[in-house]
Amino acid sequence: DAGVIQSPRHEVTEMGQEVTLRCKPISGHNSLFWYRQTMMRGLELLIYFNNNVPIDDSGMPEDRFSAKMPNASFSTLKIQPSEPRDSAVYFCASSLKLAGGPNEQFFGPGTRLTVL
Amino acid sequence: QKEVEQNSGPLSVPEGAIASLNCTYSDRGSQSFFWYRQYSGKSPELIMSIYSNGDKEDGRFTAQLNKASQYVSLLIRDSQPSDSATYLCAVNEGGYQKVTFGIGTKLQVIP
Repeated sequence: DAGVIQSPRHEVTEMGQEVTLRCKPISGHNSLFWYRQTMMRGLELLIYFNNNVPIDDSGMPEDRFSAKMPNASFSTLKIQPSEPRDSAVYFCASSLKLAGGPNEQFFGPGTRLTVL
Repeated sequence: QKEVEQNSGPLSVPEGAIASLNCTYSDRGSQSFFWYRQYSGKSPELIMSIYSNGDKEDGRFTAQLNKASQYVSLLIRDSQPSDSATYLCAVNEGGYQKVTFGIGTKLQVIP
């Protein structure tokens, strides 16, 4: 079975440009998470969706960040305009959340974003 | 602010020894606990989940949970150089899907 798929794997852009990161969760999973990882702050949750509905976006740093999940098999994280401090590795993770069940998350390979 | 604390290391152990990785958490309502392994330049990989007090063993890995002390640990027996990675502790409050990660402990297994 395919795991979580992310694209692109690497993105280099200039400050002020729009960046769109893409994620395809594991088939059958009903929850999707976007994380950002930096050396200084570790792994931070940005937003998560349950059944395509955004549940908690309190980790989104500011209005420049937005995320959508139009269907169960696709999600995007957009940064507009991008800034150098957005440089990080962005991970997408998915899980199958059942009532009373565990919340084991499986991560995609990540997108390494560099904003010049 | 829910916190998950880990010593960032590096923790160096000789090959064949037991590596002990520790994690404390602040939220007494936490019910699910996870250990992820992350190799340099790769994504986190789930290696252990534990939900009740006590020990859970899986091969060379043993997770230990003490909810009264708000403490979870991971033991790696017969450490191998291939175990060299950063180990992330993650905690989930019951009823919610949000998982809080620690900063991770870098483990170095010396041949």
